[in-house]
Amino acid sequence: NAGVMQNPRHLVRRRGQEARLRCSPMKGHSHVYWYRQLPEEGLKFMVYLQKENIIDESGMPKERFSAEFPKEGPSILRIQQVVRGDSAAYFCASSRSGQGRVGHYGYTFGSGTRLTVV
Amino acid sequence: DAKTTQPTSMDCAEGRAANLPCNHSTISGNEYVYWYRQIHSQGPQYIIHGLKNNETNEMASLIITEDRKSSTLILPHATLRDTAVYYCIVKEITDKLIFGTGTRLQVFP
Repeated sequence: NAGVMQNPRHLVRRRGQEARLRCSPMKGHSHVYWYRQLPEEGLKFMVYLQKENIIDESGMPKERFSAEFPKEGPSILRIQQVVRGDSAAYFCASSRSGQGRVGHYGYTFGSGTRLTVV
Repeated sequence: DAKTTQPTSMDCAEGRAANLPCNHSTISGNEYVYWYRQIHSQGPQYIIHGLKNNETNEMASLIITEDRKSSTLILPHATLRDTAVYYCIVKEITDKLIFGTGTRLQVFP
């Protein structure tokens, strides 16, 4: 009964390259959330997706960042032309339903991808 | 923005109860109180949540005041592995999680 799987665990990119972060939700979960955590700071919401739909991207930077959750396969967070300020831990979470009922047990988080831009 | 206020840090002796307070004076009737923790840069871990009744599970107890303006997370017998940042979050079930700065709990031997 695997939890939320994120890969890679660590990713090093040079400035200007692209970073692709993958997240496979828990079995039976159809809602995915991405968060970013800068060093020594709290987690910041980025985007909320369901299969093939972006529900809430209010936390996504306006440029260079995009996310998708295709019908088949993992959710992808893509960062184009990375800069040093993108260095952070990126966490993915999944839930059974965004429309939780009483007894909703919250999000399950993955172990994160640590992106380092050199 | 986070709707809760928590102390920045707390200490607790191993084996003793850790009581982590949270103020949420502007909580609305449909908002639940959730607690998560993050152990040393791992992914956050769900602990417990409640609406107005006190709740208990295998990890912790949640005590919510009658006016719902504050709550306390209780770890009954803290261990060194409970050292973490604890986040108190209020939200409606359908809302996304918004993390504040949390309380850094240090359990010492």
